[in-house]
Amino acid sequence: QPLLTQPPSTSASLGASVTLTCTLSSEYSNYKVDWYQQRPGKGPRFVMRLGTGGIVEIKGDGIPDRFSGMGSGLNRYLTITNIHEEDESNFFCGAAHGSGSNFVYVFGKGTRVTVL
Amino acid sequence: VHLVQSGSDVNKPGSSVKVSCQASGGTSSSYAISWVRQTPGQGLEWMGMIIPMFGITEYIQKFQGRVTFTSDESSKTAYMELSSLRSDDTAIYYCASGSGVDGFDIWGQGTKVTVSS
Repeated sequence: QPLLTQPPSTSASLGASVTLTCTLSSEYSNYKVDWYQQRPGKGPRFVMRLGTGGIVEIKGDGIPDRFSGMGSGLNRYLTITNIHEEDESNFFCGAAHGSGSNFVYVFGKGTRVTVL
Repeated sequence: VHLVQSGSDVNKPGSSVKVSCQASGGTSSSYAISWVRQTPGQGLEWMGMIIPMFGITEYIQKFQGRVTFTSDESSKTAYMELSSLRSDDTAIYYCASGSGVDGFDIWGQGTKVTVSS
Protein backbone atom coordinates (compact mmCIF):
# COMPACT_ATOMS: atom_id res chain seq x y z
CA GLN A 1 0.00 0.00 0.00
CA PRO A 2 1.19 3.55 -0.59
CA LEU A 3 2.94 5.64 2.00
CA LEU A 4 1.96 9.32 1.99
CA THR A 5 4.59 11.69 3.31
CA GLN A 6 3.84 15.23 4.44
CA PRO A 7 6.06 17.82 6.13
CA PRO A 8 4.90 18.26 9.71
CA SER A 9 4.42 22.00 9.65
CA THR A 10 4.61 25.21 7.69
CA SER A 11 3.61 28.81 8.14
CA ALA A 12 2.52 31.75 6.03
CA SER A 13 1.78 35.39 6.65
CA LEU A 14 -1.78 36.60 6.45
CA GLY A 15 -2.65 37.22 2.79
CA ALA A 16 0.30 35.25 1.45
CA SER A 17 0.27 31.92 -0.36
CA VAL A 18 1.35 28.52 0.87
CA THR A 19 1.77 25.22 -0.94
CA LEU A 20 1.44 21.92 0.89
CA THR A 21 3.03 18.75 -0.45
CA CYS A 22 1.94 15.14 -0.19
CA THR A 23 4.46 12.66 -1.61
CA LEU A 24 3.38 9.20 -2.68
CA SER A 25 5.80 6.33 -2.29
CA SER A 26 7.28 5.07 -5.51
CA GLU A 27 5.16 2.76 -7.72
CA TYR A 28 2.04 4.77 -6.85
CA SER A 29 2.51 7.82 -9.07
CA ASN A 30 -0.86 7.31 -10.78
CA TYR A 31 -2.87 7.26 -7.55
CA LYS A 32 -5.62 9.74 -6.80
CA VAL A 33 -5.10 11.80 -3.65
CA ASP A 34 -7.66 13.50 -1.43
CA TRP A 35 -6.98 16.55 0.73
CA TYR A 36 -8.72 17.20 4.04
CA GLN A 37 -8.67 20.20 6.34
CA GLN A 38 -9.01 19.83 10.10
CA ARG A 39 -9.44 22.98 12.15
CA PRO A 40 -8.51 22.81 15.85
CA GLY A 41 -11.05 20.76 17.79
CA LYS A 42 -13.08 19.90 14.70
CA GLY A 43 -13.52 16.88 12.47
CA PRO A 44 -11.87 16.67 9.06
CA ARG A 45 -13.44 18.40 6.07
CA PHE A 46 -13.03 17.24 2.49
CA VAL A 47 -11.15 19.84 0.43
CA MET A 48 -10.54 18.26 -2.95
CA ARG A 49 -9.61 15.17 -4.90
CA LEU A 50 -6.64 15.20 -7.27
CA GLY A 51 -7.05 12.64 -10.00
CA THR A 52 -4.51 10.77 -12.03
CA GLY A 53 -2.09 13.36 -13.37
CA GLY A 54 -2.88 15.68 -10.47
CA ILE A 55 -5.92 17.34 -12.02
CA VAL A 56 -8.61 18.56 -9.61
CA GLU A 57 -11.56 16.17 -10.01
CA ILE A 58 -13.86 17.58 -7.38
CA LYS A 59 -13.84 20.13 -4.58
CA GLY A 60 -15.71 19.90 -1.33
CA ASP A 61 -18.82 21.93 -0.60
CA GLY A 62 -17.99 25.50 0.35
CA ILE A 63 -14.27 25.25 -0.38
CA PRO A 64 -13.15 28.72 -1.55
CA ASP A 65 -11.57 29.28 -4.95
CA ARG A 66 -8.32 30.27 -3.25
CA PHE A 67 -7.77 26.55 -2.59
CA SER A 68 -6.25 24.90 -5.63
CA GLY A 69 -4.42 21.69 -6.37
CA MET A 70 -2.14 20.02 -8.82
CA GLY A 71 0.24 17.11 -9.12
CA SER A 72 3.57 16.19 -10.61
CA GLY A 73 5.16 12.75 -10.50
CA LEU A 74 4.87 11.45 -6.95
CA ASN A 75 3.89 14.81 -5.50
CA ARG A 76 0.41 16.17 -4.95
CA TYR A 77 0.07 19.82 -4.01
CA LEU A 78 -2.53 21.91 -2.25
CA THR A 79 -2.07 25.64 -2.60
CA ILE A 80 -3.84 28.26 -0.54
CA THR A 81 -3.61 31.76 -1.93
CA ASN A 82 -4.46 34.91 0.05
CA ILE A 83 -4.39 32.84 3.25
CA HIS A 84 -6.95 33.80 5.92
CA GLU A 85 -6.75 33.34 9.70
CA GLU A 86 -9.50 30.71 9.44
CA ASP A 87 -7.19 28.57 7.26
CA GLU A 88 -4.98 27.77 10.26
CA SER A 89 -5.50 24.00 10.35
CA ASN A 90 -4.00 20.58 9.94
CA PHE A 91 -4.14 19.38 6.36
CA PHE A 92 -4.11 15.65 5.62
CA CYS A 93 -3.82 13.82 2.35
CA GLY A 94 -5.29 10.38 1.77
CA ALA A 95 -5.44 7.71 -0.91
CA ALA A 96 -7.39 4.53 -1.64
CA HIS A 97 -5.57 1.30 -2.44
CA GLY A 98 -6.73 -2.12 -3.53
CA SER A 99 -10.22 -3.56 -3.86
CA GLY A 100 -12.64 -5.84 -2.07
CA SER A 101 -11.20 -7.45 1.04
CA ASN A 102 -7.79 -5.98 0.15
CA PHE A 103 -9.06 -2.43 0.08
CA VAL A 104 -7.48 0.08 2.42
CA TYR A 105 -7.51 3.86 2.72
CA VAL A 106 -4.32 5.45 3.98
CA PHE A 107 -3.63 8.93 5.31
CA GLY A 108 -0.53 11.05 5.56
CA LYS A 109 0.53 12.33 9.00
CA GLY A 110 -0.67 15.82 8.20
CA THR A 111 0.86 19.27 7.85
CA ARG A 112 0.02 21.92 10.41
CA VAL A 113 -0.41 25.34 8.82
CA THR A 114 0.15 28.37 11.00
CA VAL A 115 -1.02 31.78 9.84
CA LEU A 116 1.29 34.52 11.08
CA VAL B 1 -26.27 15.73 4.78
CA HIS B 2 -25.08 15.56 8.37
CA LEU B 3 -23.55 12.81 10.45
CA VAL B 4 -24.13 13.18 14.20
CA GLN B 5 -22.19 10.97 16.58
CA SER B 6 -22.75 9.94 20.17
CA GLY B 7 -20.97 11.71 23.01
CA SER B 8 -17.62 11.12 24.68
CA ASP B 9 -17.08 7.96 26.65
CA VAL B 10 -14.67 6.67 29.30
CA ASN B 11 -14.13 2.92 29.47
CA LYS B 12 -12.05 0.52 31.48
CA PRO B 13 -9.40 -1.69 29.87
CA GLY B 14 -10.93 -4.94 28.66
CA SER B 15 -14.41 -3.50 28.25
CA SER B 16 -16.27 -2.55 25.05
CA VAL B 17 -17.50 0.71 23.59
CA LYS B 18 -20.24 1.34 21.07
CA VAL B 19 -20.29 4.58 19.11
CA SER B 20 -23.27 5.66 17.03
CA CYS B 21 -23.45 7.79 13.90
CA GLN B 22 -26.83 9.07 12.72
CA ALA B 23 -27.30 10.41 9.22
CA SER B 24 -29.80 13.09 8.36
CA GLY B 25 -30.78 15.25 5.43
CA GLY B 26 -31.12 13.23 2.27
CA THR B 27 -28.88 10.22 2.74
CA SER B 28 -29.00 6.96 0.84
CA SER B 29 -28.69 3.70 2.71
CA SER B 30 -26.81 2.29 -0.28
CA TYR B 31 -23.98 4.60 0.70
CA ALA B 32 -21.16 3.27 2.77
CA ILE B 33 -20.17 4.58 6.17
CA SER B 34 -16.53 4.36 7.10
CA TRP B 35 -14.97 4.58 10.54
CA VAL B 36 -11.72 6.46 11.05
CA ARG B 37 -9.87 6.97 14.29
CA GLN B 38 -7.38 9.65 15.21
CA THR B 39 -4.64 9.32 17.78
CA PRO B 40 -1.70 11.62 18.49
CA GLY B 41 0.75 8.87 17.65
CA GLN B 42 -0.87 7.21 14.62
CA GLY B 43 -2.73 10.15 13.10
CA LEU B 44 -5.79 9.26 11.04
CA GLU B 45 -6.42 5.54 10.58
CA TRP B 46 -9.18 4.02 8.44
CA MET B 47 -10.72 1.11 10.33
CA GLY B 48 -13.13 -0.18 7.70
CA MET B 49 -16.65 0.40 6.44
CA ILE B 50 -20.23 -0.83 6.27
CA ILE B 51 -22.78 -0.59 3.47
CA PRO B 52 -26.02 -0.45 5.47
CA MET B 53 -28.42 -1.54 2.71
CA PHE B 54 -26.57 -4.78 2.12
CA GLY B 55 -25.00 -5.27 5.52
CA ILE B 56 -21.59 -5.60 3.88
CA THR B 57 -18.68 -4.89 6.18
CA GLU B 58 -14.94 -4.65 5.67
CA TYR B 59 -12.41 -4.35 8.48
CA ILE B 60 -8.71 -3.80 8.26
CA GLN B 61 -6.68 -6.68 9.61
CA LYS B 62 -5.49 -4.70 12.63
CA PHE B 63 -9.01 -4.57 14.06
CA GLN B 64 -10.46 -7.85 12.82
CA GLY B 65 -11.96 -9.83 15.68
CA ARG B 66 -12.23 -6.74 17.90
CA VAL B 67 -14.44 -4.38 15.94
CA THR B 68 -17.99 -4.79 14.66
CA PHE B 69 -19.90 -2.40 12.40
CA THR B 70 -23.69 -2.58 12.40
CA SER B 71 -26.52 -0.37 11.23
CA ASP B 72 -30.20 0.34 11.75
CA GLU B 73 -31.77 1.47 8.49
CA SER B 74 -34.99 2.65 10.14
CA SER B 75 -33.11 5.31 12.10
CA LYS B 76 -30.27 5.76 9.55
CA THR B 77 -27.79 5.02 12.29
CA ALA B 78 -24.48 3.20 11.99
CA TYR B 79 -22.64 1.76 14.97
CA MET B 80 -19.03 0.89 15.70
CA GLU B 81 -18.35 -1.46 18.60
CA LEU B 82 -14.76 -2.03 19.72
CA SER B 83 -14.08 -4.70 22.32
CA SER B 84 -11.17 -5.74 24.54
CA LEU B 85 -10.26 -2.10 24.90
CA ARG B 86 -6.64 -1.14 25.60
CA SER B 87 -5.11 2.15 26.58
CA ASP B 88 -3.87 2.67 23.02
CA ASP B 89 -7.48 2.60 21.80
CA THR B 90 -7.86 6.03 23.39
CA ALA B 91 -8.70 8.16 20.39
CA ILE B 92 -11.29 10.24 18.62
CA TYR B 93 -13.46 8.04 16.46
CA TYR B 94 -15.09 9.51 13.35
CA CYS B 95 -17.71 8.19 11.01
CA ALA B 96 -17.50 9.41 7.43
CA SER B 97 -19.67 9.05 4.37
CA GLY B 98 -18.20 6.77 1.73
CA SER B 99 -16.13 3.62 1.44
CA GLY B 100 -12.97 5.55 0.68
CA VAL B 101 -12.91 4.71 -3.03
CA ASP B 102 -13.94 8.32 -3.71
CA GLY B 103 -12.66 9.77 -0.48
CA PHE B 104 -14.89 10.91 2.38
CA ASP B 105 -17.02 13.95 1.68
CA ILE B 106 -18.98 14.16 4.95
CA TRP B 107 -17.62 13.56 8.45
CA GLY B 108 -19.21 13.28 11.86
CA GLN B 109 -18.07 15.56 14.64
CA GLY B 110 -16.07 12.79 16.30
CA THR B 111 -16.47 10.81 19.52
CA LYS B 112 -13.68 10.86 22.07
CA VAL B 113 -13.15 7.46 23.64
CA THR B 114 -10.86 7.27 26.64
CA VAL B 115 -9.64 3.94 27.96
CA SER B 116 -8.49 4.23 31.54
CA SER B 117 -8.71 2.26 34.75
